Amino acid sequence: EIVLTQSPATLSLSPGERATLSCRASQSVSSYLAWYQQKPGQAPRLLIYDASNRATGIPARFSGSGSGTDFTLTISSLEPEDFAVYYCQQRSNWAWTFGQGTKVEIK
Amino acid sequence: EVQLVQSGAEVKKPGESLKISCKGSGYSFTSYWIGWVRQMPGKGLEWMGIIYPGDSDTRYSPSFQGQVTISADKSISTAYLQWSSLKASDTAMYYCARRMWAFDIWGQGTMVTVSS
Repeated sequence: EIVLTQSPATLSLSPGERATLSCRASQSVSSYLAWYQQKPGQAPRLLIYDASNRATGIPARFSGSGSGTDFTLTISSLEPEDFAVYYCQQRSNWAWTFGQGTKVEIK
Repeated sequence: EVQLVQSGAEVKKPGESLKISCKGSGYSFTSYWIGWVRQMPGKGLEWMGIIYPGDSDTRYSPSFQGQVTISADKSISTAYLQWSSLKASDTAMYYCARRMWAFDIWGQGTMVTVSS
């Protein structure tokens, strides 16, 4: 089973700052990596699929990059509604594992 | 509107059985895989398994193989997740989600509480 490790566990930033979240895979997942946002009491929402493609309706301040084993989600300028937990997920084989999550909190 | 609507919250006792549902609408239900994801209280997301309603091809995460059963009834555009004997450790929120290149549409979640 492919293990995804996200870092940092918590990111404390102020609105307007840039957020950089990392996801590392235990083996190559090619570009088959997605990012999700989850707010308290809500279902996850797809942000990015296949490493760098924004899902429908996702603002341009969200971008994804990487391939192989190292991936990054960047939020260029944090809006108040962006403070949430972010998960990466791989689909390179049938066991679609998630990372443990990064919480982006207000500093 | 494309959506997945899940059945309501459940409170069960250990040892009881349970089947929760996920009804799709607004798209061709038989053409997309449906996955199930567990989220234990205060914890992260865990992929449980996935089914293709068109032919009921089903795959399970090794962590959940033998612990749950995933099924679908394409005639009513509904997928199911079931347990034959619940444990307290099954207490969690369960989400269904449609798979394209990722899980693009999610249900609202079904909270399952198992307590004596």
